[in-house]
Amino acid sequence: QITLKESGPTLVTPTQTLTLTCTFSGFSLTTSGVAVGWIRQPPGQALEWLALIYWDGDRRYSPSLKNRLTITKDTSKSQVVLTMTSMDPKDTATYFCARESDDSYPDWGQGTLVTVSS
Amino acid sequence: QSVLTQPPSVSGAPGQTIIISCTGTSSNLGTGYDVHWYRQFPGTAPKLLIYRNKNRPSGVPARFSGSKSGTSASLAITGLQVEDEADYYCQSYDAGLSGSTGVFGGGTKLTVV
Repeated sequence: QITLKESGPTLVTPTQTLTLTCTFSGFSLTTSGVAVGWIRQPPGQALEWLALIYWDGDRRYSPSLKNRLTITKDTSKSQVVLTMTSMDPKDTATYFCARESDDSYPDWGQGTLVTVSS
Repeated sequence: QSVLTQPPSVSGAPGQTIIISCTGTSSNLGTGYDVHWYRQFPGTAPKLLIYRNKNRPSGVPARFSGSKSGTSASLAITGLQVEDEADYYCQSYDAGLSGSTGVFGGGTKLTVV
């Protein structure tokens, strides 16, 4: 059974850096073809793709956010970490991590709501 | 502004068929990237409904079907049920200078009246 779970702060102050952790089980990020991504959804709005990291370390970032995002993996802990700098109230959203397979996302975490406010 | 364009809302009566469109460009759907569809109920994570344009994951009813042609794709739901009322999103990849990156549609709210 594949599971993913996001963890991190629920409230961050503007200009701070956000660090979110995705802890997964049921698959390994050392297996060829496996990838884990981050997607966010502001309240009442659409899904927005953020970043993806592959089993071989290859990383992809949303062009509009790439200067603020860093995605890393710790295969020994079965974790993927996303950091986003210069947080702004517009970054308030539910952040999801998901396993990528054949370019789609069949497995998702429950999501974690991050509010950016002073 | 989402990279993939979906109608904001569609509606249908129980038993009817509805179609949700997803329009891309030459840098995503038009360049051969597959389209995938998700359903999302309020307060929950999206669930994969259709992958690689027309394939249904195990457990997804045959009432859901997908197609893709050129820069457009569509999701059809036949035999509409009240429980189909949800938000639906298409997703693909977009070719970029630094490699492909994921893109979503703006979402379509399905109302079953």
